[in-house]
Amino acid sequence: DAGVTQSPTHLIKTRGQQVTLRCSPKSGHDTVSWYQQALGQGPQFIFQYYEEEERQRGNFPDRFSGHQFPNYSSELNVNALLLGDSALYLCASSHAAVVPYNEQFFGPGTRLTVL
Amino acid sequence: AQSVAQPEDQVNVAEGNPLTVKCTYSVSGNPYLFWYVQYPNRGLQFLLKYITGDNLVKGSYGFEAEFNKSQTSFHLKKPSALVSDSALYFCAVSPISNDYKLSFGAGTTVTVRA
Repeated sequence: DAGVTQSPTHLIKTRGQQVTLRCSPKSGHDTVSWYQQALGQGPQFIFQYYEEEERQRGNFPDRFSGHQFPNYSSELNVNALLLGDSALYLCASSHAAVVPYNEQFFGPGTRLTVL
Repeated sequence: AQSVAQPEDQVNVAEGNPLTVKCTYSVSGNPYLFWYVQYPNRGLQFLLKYITGDNLVKGSYGFEAEFNKSQTSFHLKKPSALVSDSALYFCAVSPISNDYKLSFGAGTTVTVRA
């Protein structure tokens, strides 16, 4: 049973560029959440996707957007990259019908470096 | 809004000694509480959760946590620490409501010396 997978593992971009990160949820899960973990900090919630729609959003600007596909996989897009966007981006999956549906299983993350 | 405080940035213990990692939370209503562990260059691994019922929760790798509603705490404990327990530990909270996000503490680095 594959867990949550993310790609790529590492990514280096320059300021102003755009990036797309990808996530495949754990088998049987239908909900995907994205978190940003800056160095030395705990993960911060970006948003959650369920039934191909953004269900909840954290305190992140509109430069951060996402998508969920019919197979439940998800993408995180960040436009106009800033140096401060450098972080580990974590994807987490869960099952909406399982209580607590906010019990989330995390992938290994994508390390984004913005130069 | 919910929040989590982990008052200790670092905890150092000798192998074989008890390990405690502290966590206090703030949330409207009753909480779901979680502990995760993170090894270098890895994602978060689930350790245990409190949903309801018994205040003492047992989890993976010999860890347990005690929910104390009056003190709004959820401290992680292990009776006998191993060198392999050295890692970064995160406490997280979520309200029992239509709020789907986890709110994490800043993390506590645990070092177990041989």
